Amino acid sequence: AQTVTQSQPEMSVQEAETVTLSCTYDTSENNYYLFWYKQPPSRQMILVIRQEAYKQQNATENRFSVNFQKAAKSFSLKISDSQLGDTAMYFCGATNNNAGNMLTFGGGTRLMVKP
Amino acid sequence: DGGITQSPKYLFRKEGQNVTLSCEQNLNHDAMYWYRQDPGQGLRLIYYSQIVNDFQKGDIAEGYSVSREKKESFPLTVTSAQKNPTAFYLCASSIKQGTEAFFGQGTRLTVV
Repeated sequence: AQTVTQSQPEMSVQEAETVTLSCTYDTSENNYYLFWYKQPPSRQMILVIRQEAYKQQNATENRFSVNFQKAAKSFSLKISDSQLGDTAMYFCGATNNNAGNMLTFGGGTRLMVKP
Repeated sequence: DGGITQSPKYLFRKEGQNVTLSCEQNLNHDAMYWYRQDPGQGLRLIYYSQIVNDFQKGDIAEGYSVSREKKESFPLTVTSAQKNPTAFYLCASSIKQGTEAFFGQGTRLTVV
C-alpha cells in the first residue's frame, strides 16, 4: 500500500512572495508517479505538476516547481511570485506502476494568498 | 467537448435509501476512480477500475458499490449501509497508470 502525508493543514503567503508546501509519501514500488493538484473554491481539481520517480530532474511548470527527494520520499511544491488566484486547497498524490494503480492523495494544504 | 461528467451536482436523499451517482467520460480512458471529500478534508479513495468489468476497493469501500459495464461509465451507489453518506463525491479518470487524472465537477450528496 502507498500513503501520502501533507503535514501543513493551512499556510498563508503574501502576494508576490514564495511559499513551499510539503508532502511525504511511502511506497514499496520502484516506479511511481507523483502529482500536485489544486482545488480552488469551485472545487474543480486542476493538475498543477507531475513528476515521474525515475526522472532525477525536478519538474517545473511556470511559477510552480517541485523539490523531489527520492531517498527521503519527499515531494514539496514551491510556488513563486504567489498570486491571489493561487488561493486554494493543494493535494499531493501518488500512483504506482503495478496492477493496482491506486491514485492516492494526502489530506491537503489550504493555502491563502494575502494581498 | 471531451471530458468527465458527474450528475447531478446536488443530490438529496432520505436516510435509508440507496442512491446512485453518475460518472461518464468520453476521453476513452481505461482507469476510473471515485473519491469522497468531507469538509476541510482530503480525498479518500472509495473504488477504482482499471478496465471494463473489473474494479477494486479503495480505502473506504464499505457501504458503497460500483459497476463498470461500459468503458465510459462508472456509477457509484451509496447504500443504506453507509453510516455517514453526506459528503462531496468526485469521480476521475486517467488514460493509463501514471498519467494525469481528469476530474468531474463533483456531486454534493446530502442525506436527511
